[in-house]
Amino acid sequence: GAGVSQSPSNKVTEKGKDVELRCDPISGHTALYWYRQSLGQGLEFLIYFQGNSAPDKSGLPSDRFSAERTGGSVSTLTIQRTQQEDSAVYLCASSVRQEYGYTFGSGTRLTVV
Amino acid sequence: AQSVTQPDIHITVSEGASLELRCNYSYGATPYLFWYVQSPGQGLQLLLKYFSGDTLVQGIKGFEAEFKRSQSSFNLRKPSVHWSDAAEYFCAVGANSGYALNFGKGTSLLVTP
Repeated sequence: GAGVSQSPSNKVTEKGKDVELRCDPISGHTALYWYRQSLGQGLEFLIYFQGNSAPDKSGLPSDRFSAERTGGSVSTLTIQRTQQEDSAVYLCASSVRQEYGYTFGSGTRLTVV
Repeated sequence: AQSVTQPDIHITVSEGASLELRCNYSYGATPYLFWYVQSPGQGLQLLLKYFSGDTLVQGIKGFEAEFKRSQSSFNLRKPSVHWSDAAEYFCAVGANSGYALNFGKGTSLLVTP
C-alpha cells in the first residue's frame, strides 16, 4: 500500500481481556517495528522484525506481549490479560534500510478500562 | 549505553522567530540521525536525516539540522517559525541495521502570535 496501515485506530477493552493490533506495512519494506507511546512520553521500542523473524524483541515489557509477522508483510501485536498500564498509543513503522528512516502508521490508541 | 537526550521538554516561540531544538546522543560510532514531527492526533513524519556526507542537512517544511561530532549533537533549526509548526518533535538515533531506532522523549513546540 501507499502507507503503513494500522487497525483498529481506537480500541477500548476491559481489564483482563486480550487484544490484537494489526499493522500492514508498505509493500517491499522488509523491516517492521512496533513502538509504544504513553501520554507525555517518548517512543518506547517493543519489537523489530526483519522479514518474518524478530532479531530484537527486547522491548516487550512482559510475557503478556507477543507479536508475529507472516509472509514478510502483516504483523499482529497481541496483548493478553490487558492491564490499565497497557493504555497507550501503539505505533507501527516499516523501512527498507535503517539509514532511510522509518515510515510510521497513525497508530492504535488502546484504552484499558 | 546508547542514549538520546532532548533537553527541552517544552519550547515556546513567537511566530516569525527562529527556532533551535536540541538533541544530544551517546553512541559508539557515527550514528544515523533523524528528526520526526508529530502533529496532534497524527503519526510521526520524517523531517530530515543524516547518515554520511555534508553535516548540514536540509529537510521538509524549511527545517535543517547540523551534525556536530565533537559535541555529539544534531540540533534542528528553522529561520522563521509558522503557527503550523506547533507540534511534538522527536530526535532519533540508530546504528547499523539490526537494531531499532532509539527515540528521545520529544520537545513540544508552542507557537504564539
